[in-house]
Amino acid sequence: GAVVSQHPSWVICKSGTSVKIECRSLDFQATTMFWYRQFPKQSLMLMATSNEGSKATYEQGVEKDKFLINHASLTLSTLTVTSAHPEDSSFYICSARDVGERQFFGPGTRLTVL
Amino acid sequence: GNSVTQMEGPVTLSEEAFLTINCTYTATGYPSLFWYVQYPGEGLQLLLKATKADDKGSNKGFEATYRKETTSFHLEKGSVQVSDSAVYFCALSDNRGAQKLVFGQGTRLTINP
Repeated sequence: GAVVSQHPSWVICKSGTSVKIECRSLDFQATTMFWYRQFPKQSLMLMATSNEGSKATYEQGVEKDKFLINHASLTLSTLTVTSAHPEDSSFYICSARDVGERQFFGPGTRLTVL
Repeated sequence: GNSVTQMEGPVTLSEEAFLTINCTYTATGYPSLFWYVQYPGEGLQLLLKATKADDKGSNKGFEATYRKETTSFHLEKGSVQVSDSAVYFCALSDNRGAQKLVFGQGTRLTINP
């Protein structure tokens, strides 16, 4: 089946620094990718929808200047958490949608901000 | 807005037991319904789906029927295996625009041998 990778799988950073997370569709092209955030024992919450070559669409309550999304190609979207703080610590998951409109999920990236 | 509610876990069963994980939804229009499974260390995988009322999705021995009258999509399996241990997420898509998914909170299932 289709494979979506995320890098890194986990990252620890100091408060105030920025962290970039990559999401790649390895064997298909994805015009649309989604970014989710998952808190412990809670559901996945959609943060934004990323379309190749255009600006991302953010969900209500998600700060676009804090969570920068770039979908530079049909196989790569990046999420940059700018000026990270401890409350940004979470599990970030991406998914990629293929031409058949099926969504495939990455394994997630665990971010810990000290 | 759209929402999904699923039974709280964790759920622990013995091998070969019958499994039910309840899921109910609130949505406008006619959503598609999904069950995703997340095995340890892996990404979410689509387990099964149903796109209209009375449809039954099935895969790997799991089944779920789209019940519009009760707004439910309960997941069932007649005889679970240790390898079914995972976190299960019920989700819906409103079938409009970007077809965004709305997830339930997830149910952790542990099957003991």
